[in-house]
Amino acid sequence: AQTVTQSQPEMSVQEAETVTLSCTYDTSESDYYLFWYKQPPSRQMILVIRQEAYKQQNATENRFSVNFQKAAKSFSLKISDSQLGDAAMYFCAYRSASSNSGYALNFGKGTSLLVTP
Amino acid sequence: NAGVTQTPKFRVLKTGQSMTLLCAQDMNHEYMYWYRQDPGMGLRLIHYSVGEGTTAKGEVPDGYNVSRLKKQNFLLGLESAAPSQTSVYFCASSYFLSRMMGIRANQPQHFGDGTRLSIL
Repeated sequence: AQTVTQSQPEMSVQEAETVTLSCTYDTSESDYYLFWYKQPPSRQMILVIRQEAYKQQNATENRFSVNFQKAAKSFSLKISDSQLGDAAMYFCAYRSASSNSGYALNFGKGTSLLVTP
Repeated sequence: NAGVTQTPKFRVLKTGQSMTLLCAQDMNHEYMYWYRQDPGMGLRLIHYSVGEGTTAKGEVPDGYNVSRLKKQNFLLGLESAAPSQTSVYFCASSYFLSRMMGIRANQPQHFGDGTRLSIL
């Protein structure tokens, strides 16, 4: 099974500043998908951004962007102009392009992001 | 459009009791999943279903059973609850994923709001 590692249990950023959350994964597959989910205190799982492994271009969604390094198996999330509402737990997730596990997500353990005024 | 609805949202059980968690989706999704979330562990897959009448084991299936008698519903059962099953349970669903069929596998899973289950 693929392993997803988030090495930063907690991160802190000041409002309006930029923060980068790291994620690495272990896989022997060449075709897969990567996701970042946000979980605020409300417990909802909210999709932040997604990346297809066969695309070299890094995905961007407004203030959120990724740095996808396929050879290094790295998928970091950059949050620009941080806002108080960005405070949450962030999960990195891997999905195989094969149907062996029903396209289920493999999650990292999460990074808790604190945003200070 | 309710999306993915989980019932109940909270529940406290005694060791040995049984219960069923219900997940319902109104998006006509083929795939459905049950995950559990424990502190410091992220979300882990319990069971999943790729269609009505089919289920399969995930990473942590022991102590749980599932059924998918209707396409829109995915039930998670605990036959004899144990304190180790204290967790937050999430249901998720997604469309059938196949690049061969022109349906891109980057479609995200849609999650319910979770069920907090405590077993004393």
